[in-house]
Amino acid sequence: DVKVTQSSRYLVKRTGEKVFLECVQDMDHENMFWYRQDPGLGLRLIYFSYDVKMKEKGDIPEGYSVSREKKERFSLILESASTNQTSMYLCASSPIDRENQPQHFGDGTRLSIL
Amino acid sequence: QKEVEQNSGPLSVPEGAIASLNCTYSDRVSQSFFWYRQYSGKSPELIMSIYSNGDKEDGRFTAQLNKASQYVSLLIRDSQPSDSATYLCAVNSLQNTGNQFYFGTGTSLTVIP
Repeated sequence: DVKVTQSSRYLVKRTGEKVFLECVQDMDHENMFWYRQDPGLGLRLIYFSYDVKMKEKGDIPEGYSVSREKKERFSLILESASTNQTSMYLCASSPIDRENQPQHFGDGTRLSIL
Repeated sequence: QKEVEQNSGPLSVPEGAIASLNCTYSDRVSQSFFWYRQYSGKSPELIMSIYSNGDKEDGRFTAQLNKASQYVSLLIRDSQPSDSATYLCAVNSLQNTGNQFYFGTGTSLTVIP
């Protein structure tokens, strides 16, 4: 089974802090994704990566950056946390060049910015 | 902008009934379609995938795909209270930068005992 592991289930940080969310997958997937999910807004793509050191902006990249130094790890960085970044953050992975493969999600990180 | 549309609900059905969830998508080149179940406070869990026109059955779940109409649905037979969740429709298209997934906002289902 695919395992996508997010470093924290719950996280509380303060406004202005630099926040790191970590995600690791164990299936050698090329694609990795970061979403945030808010009530009524569904899943919104922040960034994705299709290879080591490669990154692409999603729909809402403002205020975020990412890092992919190793294939299995994809980090989301909140450069200066703000209260409007309080949300559920979901990491996902999928193999590349195989259309019929789904995304697999981690358990999510519920982040609160105070 | 590729779009995936779902009726947000809430959809309520009595226990034992058939729940029907619908999804339409705008991108004609989409090739793969997925249904995820998401319980409150949890992450999405894959329950069905479908790639070809027609029906695909897995236990109490049946996915239906009509590419000409750009329509995919999920039927849940003999609905149980444990099926109460939000169901997300997802569409996959292969782009230059790899697989792109597009999600609907989800349909909330409540099964009433």
